[in-house]
Amino acid sequence: EIVMTQSPATLSVSPGERATLSCRASQSVGNNLAWYQQKPGQAPRLLIFAASTRAPGFSPRFSGSGSGTEFTLTISSLQSEDFAVYYCQQYDGWQITFGQGTRLDIK
Amino acid sequence: QEHLQESGPGLVKPSETLSLTCAVSGGSISTYYWTWIRQPPGRGLEWIGYIYYSGDTMYNPSLKSRVTISVDTSKNEVSLKLTSVTASDTAMYYCAKTRRNWFDTWGRGTLVTVSS
Repeated sequence: EIVMTQSPATLSVSPGERATLSCRASQSVGNNLAWYQQKPGQAPRLLIFAASTRAPGFSPRFSGSGSGTEFTLTISSLQSEDFAVYYCQQYDGWQITFGQGTRLDIK
Repeated sequence: QEHLQESGPGLVKPSETLSLTCAVSGGSISTYYWTWIRQPPGRGLEWIGYIYYSGDTMYNPSLKSRVTISVDTSKNEVSLKLTSVTASDTAMYYCAKTRRNWFDTWGRGTLVTVSS
């Protein structure tokens, strides 16, 4: 099983600032990585796939990067609606695993 | 744009079988893979397994002995059965449309509590 480790567990950032979230895979997953945003009481929502392709409906403020074992989700100029929990997910092969999530809080 | 709606009993007794259905509307089920994912209260996401309309399945090894996912193309529905449940199976259960192994459309989820 590929273990996905997200850091930090909680990130406190002020509105208007940049947030950088990390996701590390226990072995290479190529660019087979997705990011999801989850707000309280809602289902997760696909944000990024193929490591860097933004899903429809999301602002260009969201960007994904990385390959192999190290991935980053960057949110520039945080808006109030961006504060949520973010999960990474690897899909290299058919055994899918998620990271434990990073909670992005308002500072 | 597909719409997914999960349904099933909200309370299941320990040792019994959890049975859920995901109704797909706004599109044909015979196009994509369909996945079940769960999330215990206050915790992260766990992939349960997926099915293709042909019936091909793949399950999380940690749940494989207890899980069955099936598809009814005539009803445009996907089903999940999880046997011998315990309190650790208490979770929000989601179904999701699966495109190349990422999940681009999710249902709202259904909460299942395992308790006597």
